[in-house]
Amino acid sequence: EPEVTQTPSHQVTQMGQEVILRCVPISNHLYFYWYRQILGQKVEFLVSFYNNEISEKSEIFDDQFSVERPDGSNFTLKIRSTKLEDSAMYFCASNRESSYEQYFGPGTRLTVT
Amino acid sequence: AQSVTQPDIHITVSEGASLELRCNYSYGATPYLFWYVQSPGQGLQLLLKYFSGDTLVQGIKGFEAEFKRSQSSFNLRKPSVHWSDAAEYFCAVGAIYGGSQGNLIFGKGTKLSVKP
Repeated sequence: EPEVTQTPSHQVTQMGQEVILRCVPISNHLYFYWYRQILGQKVEFLVSFYNNEISEKSEIFDDQFSVERPDGSNFTLKIRSTKLEDSAMYFCASNRESSYEQYFGPGTRLTVT
Repeated sequence: AQSVTQPDIHITVSEGASLELRCNYSYGATPYLFWYVQSPGQGLQLLLKYFSGDTLVQGIKGFEAEFKRSQSSFNLRKPSVHWSDAAEYFCAVGAIYGGSQGNLIFGKGTKLSVKP
């Protein structure tokens, strides 16, 4: 069964450094998302991406964040200058057009020190 | 604003007992509703979903949920809990904008513990 994959599984970085989190959505999916979950809290929406552009973003997704689909398979989330409060589990998700059923990857745990 | 409320933070049930996890939502239109399960250190796995039609939906692992519009609820149930069901359960509502797919709004989750 196809699945969403994410790399790395755990990333440790120093405050102020740039990080790129990578995701490979399911191949025939057209909608892509990033969510985050701060430890002990609920899953929060960051951004959605369709047709090579951002379709929606939350207030969390400020100028420090960006997303890109650099090729036909990868979907990346970049944080330009990480802050301590960016420490969280970041989930990538995708779905087919008109499906509304999002499939989640296993997540990348980001630790900012 | 759209929101999802899961009033129970932590529930403990005995193995073999029945289970009901509560979920209430606030949404202006007909919601698309989901239950996801997250085992420790794992991602989110879809248990079941409601889009339209029959208000009682069946999911994987023996779970079911009932959509009640009058109560704005979508409670998750299982008749007999297994030890492997211990996990955190998230209810979510899907936002649809102009017919296009939107993001999911999650509740805070309910952690399920299972006693032997």
